[in-house]
Amino acid sequence: NAGVMQNPRHLVRRRGQEARLRCSPMKGHSHVYWYRQLPEEGLKFMVYLQKENIIDESGMPKERFSAEFPKEGPSILRIQQVVRGDSAAYFCASGQSFSNTEAFFGQGTRLTVV
Amino acid sequence: EDQVTQSPEALRLQEGESSSLNCSYTVSGLRGLFWYRQDPGKGPEFLFTLYSAGEEKEKERLKATLTKKESFLHITAPKPEDSATYLCASNQAGTALIFGKGTTLSVSS
Repeated sequence: NAGVMQNPRHLVRRRGQEARLRCSPMKGHSHVYWYRQLPEEGLKFMVYLQKENIIDESGMPKERFSAEFPKEGPSILRIQQVVRGDSAAYFCASGQSFSNTEAFFGQGTRLTVV
Repeated sequence: EDQVTQSPEALRLQEGESSSLNCSYTVSGLRGLFWYRQDPGKGPEFLFTLYSAGEEKEKERLKATLTKKESFLHITAPKPEDSATYLCASNQAGTALIFGKGTTLSVSS
């Protein structure tokens, strides 16, 4: 029973490049959440998606960031034209439904912008 | 604004020295209160969910309790392998989790 799978685990991008982070939820889970964790800070909510729908993107920066969770395939968090301040650990969590709010996390993608 | 505040930020214990971690929350219409453990370089690992005041849950040396304004994670006779950052989170129905900054626990033998 595979858990939440994120890849890559580590990603290095030069300033101005694009970063694509992938998240495959646990089997049977149709809800995905993306969080960002900066050193010495807590997990900050970014976006909440259900298959083919964005439920809540209130934590996502208005520019350069986008997320999708297509009918088939993993959820993608896309960061365009990365800057050094985007360097962080990005975590994905998945859950079963609105009524079951327990969320299980992946191991994260550590993005470094050089 | 909904908030989750954890204290202390860091806690050092000797092996066998029991203590408690605090999580206070100001979330209207609380749906659940969650505890996670996070080891360095890894994702948060789910520990407990509490739904109503007075509820308690236990797992090995850990016990989580919930009141109307706060939750406690009690650690009984900790071992070095309990060293980690413990995260508290809460949410309303249909919304994502709001996390505190965590308590970093170090247990020395």
